[in-house]
Amino acid sequence: ETGVTQTPRHLVMGMTNKKSLKCEQHLGHNAMYWYKQSAKKPLELMFVYNFKEQTENNSVPSRFSPECPNSSHLFLHLHTLQPEDSALYLCASSRGWDNEKLFFGSGTQLSVL
Amino acid sequence: GIQVEQSPPDLILQEGANSTLRCNFSDSVNNLQWFHQNPWGQLINLFYIPSGTKQNGRLSATTVATERYSLLYISSSQTTDSGVYFCAVGSSNTGKLIFGQGTTLQVKP
Repeated sequence: ETGVTQTPRHLVMGMTNKKSLKCEQHLGHNAMYWYKQSAKKPLELMFVYNFKEQTENNSVPSRFSPECPNSSHLFLHLHTLQPEDSALYLCASSRGWDNEKLFFGSGTQLSVL
Repeated sequence: GIQVEQSPPDLILQEGANSTLRCNFSDSVNNLQWFHQNPWGQLINLFYIPSGTKQNGRLSATTVATERYSLLYISSSQTTDSGVYFCAVGSSNTGKLIFGQGTTLQVKP
């Protein structure tokens, strides 16, 4: 148990669906992240939030929309995804946003049909 | 940007054997972390080690920042050590962590 919880663990969606991924951290951290892990590729940083403010958008397509209502919760809203968006989506948190130890959730395995 | 290269890409060990995983990086860093991803996808932070040496049970890590590499040592390996080991680095310029491609370890009983 890392203190970072993600739901759902698995998600299958069609290209016209709208779905959301949820992340919650119980560590009292101030920074939260979304990473994408595709097969045979390194983890890619998508978004960074520090004290609820987005500090990084790593050129992510607008069909991915993050939301951070408070320092403990992070959402990733998905809309009109493509099959190539199928991947493991990982949430992480750290005490601060810069050069701090990172703690990951168990991920959501997303399949887009 | 910073390049991160891990070696070897794949490693097969017999239970009880020792191993060394390497992470090379192309620029100065002030953040380096090692992670283990189990077969179910969970990433566990093993070490936060921008420099120096740390030990945690059968695992230890050393980072020589001036020579731009880090090593992860696994002693007396167990089947539960199987999975993918990632090195991730960050610099003071960006604050972002850049992940290597990982080393896939399989420990056979």
